[in-house]
Amino acid sequence: TQLLEQSPQFLSIQEGENLTVYCNSSSVFSSLQWYRQEPGEGPVLLVTVVTGGEVKKLKRLTFQFGDARKDSSLHITAAQPGDTGLYLCAGGLGGTSYGKLTFGQGTILTVHP
Amino acid sequence: ETGVTQSPTHLIKTRGQQVTLRCSSQSGHNTVSWYQQALGQGPQFIFQYYREEENGRGNFPPRFSGLQFPNYSSELNVNALELDDSALYLCASSLSYYNEQFFGPGTRLTVL
Repeated sequence: TQLLEQSPQFLSIQEGENLTVYCNSSSVFSSLQWYRQEPGEGPVLLVTVVTGGEVKKLKRLTFQFGDARKDSSLHITAAQPGDTGLYLCAGGLGGTSYGKLTFGQGTILTVHP
Repeated sequence: ETGVTQSPTHLIKTRGQQVTLRCSSQSGHNTVSWYQQALGQGPQFIFQYYREEENGRGNFPPRFSGLQFPNYSSELNVNALELDDSALYLCASSLSYYNEQFFGPGTRLTVL
């Protein structure tokens, strides 16, 4: 069974601060995805990383996939109140298991003005 | 383009009852995946349907069953409801089983 552990579970910071969320596993994934979920809504895909060592940037968000494709991180620079939400990492396997995502338990981020 | 829709939005059932949740996939998408998200947890994969056939299943008992129709909409059925079945049930559709998944808003099921 593939497991993904996210840390921290909760993060409460002031506007303008930087933060990093980690996603770790003992399993190798063919892809790693990061989602953001708002209350009452489904998760929305932020990014997909597929290559070990890959780094992707989305405005103030930087995503990295570990060299061994077992871990990933999400770094937010100069956080804003609009970044508040539940951040989820999800690992995907290849072949016929593609699309059967394994999610971490999530990180609840609160950014105070 | 209409996104993924789910019905109903909320549902309250009692232990032992049966429930059917519905999902309309995004136009052109032939794959639907269902997830269960308990409060404070990440979603857990229940099963996936690709072109009307089950294409993989997570660690859920047989009382969780599904169906995909020719128009690629889908149903999730849960029999003999238990208190632990209380959760947000998410449906996600994708162009095919290997493409990006687009999630619906979910159905909040409460079992009393």
